[in-house]
Amino acid sequence: QITLKESGPTLVKPTQTLTLTCSFSGFSLSTSGVGVGWIRQPPGKALEWLALIYWDDDKRYSPSLRSRLTITKDSSKNQVVLTMTNMDPVDTATYFCARKDQRVLYSYDSNDSYDFFDYWGQGILVSVSS
Amino acid sequence: DIQMTQSPSSLSASVGDSIVITCRASQSIDSSLNWYQQKPGKAPKFLMFAASSLQDGVPSRFSGSGSGTDFTLTITSLQPEDFATYYCQQSYSTPYTFGQGTKVEMK
Repeated sequence: QITLKESGPTLVKPTQTLTLTCSFSGFSLSTSGVGVGWIRQPPGKALEWLALIYWDDDKRYSPSLRSRLTITKDSSKNQVVLTMTNMDPVDTATYFCARKDQRVLYSYDSNDSYDFFDYWGQGILVSVSS
Repeated sequence: DIQMTQSPSSLSASVGDSIVITCRASQSIDSSLNWYQQKPGKAPKFLMFAASSLQDGVPSRFSGSGSGTDFTLTITSLQPEDFATYYCQQSYSTPYTFGQGTKVEMK
């Protein structure tokens, strides 16, 4: 059974640094093709992709937030940590972590790999206010 | 970044109806398109990848189509549990951007 759960502060002050931990079970972040991503959702708004770390420690970030984000993993502890610096009230949102997996579809002339987020944590609502 | 645009933003339907949600990418993403369903206060649920491949356990009344820049999610014979918000997401290149969502409401 695959589970993920986000933990961290639910209230931070403007300019502070947010540190969120995603603790997961039921899969290994050392398995080829697997990753863990962070996605956030401001109240009443759409999902926003933030960052992704792959099994081989490759890291990808949202360009608009890249300067503020750091994603790291501890595969032995089954944890992924996201830090976001210089928090602002507009960063108030529910933050989700999710497992990225991939599937290869075979056809007569190609093998194509597709990524997706198949398991999600429950999310943690982080408010930014003084 | 690849921009994803969904239409409509919301729609009203009745149980038993068929509905179609459209998702358009700002550039070609081949078939690297995922669909998610989200209910209020819950995490998104993964429905479909590669534009038309259903995740295990997703009912067959859900179907997807498209490639390149234009995609659709179709739900036939809408059930009470299908009233939710649906998001498309491209996984062609990072950042793996989402659409703005389509809320399916009960008429």
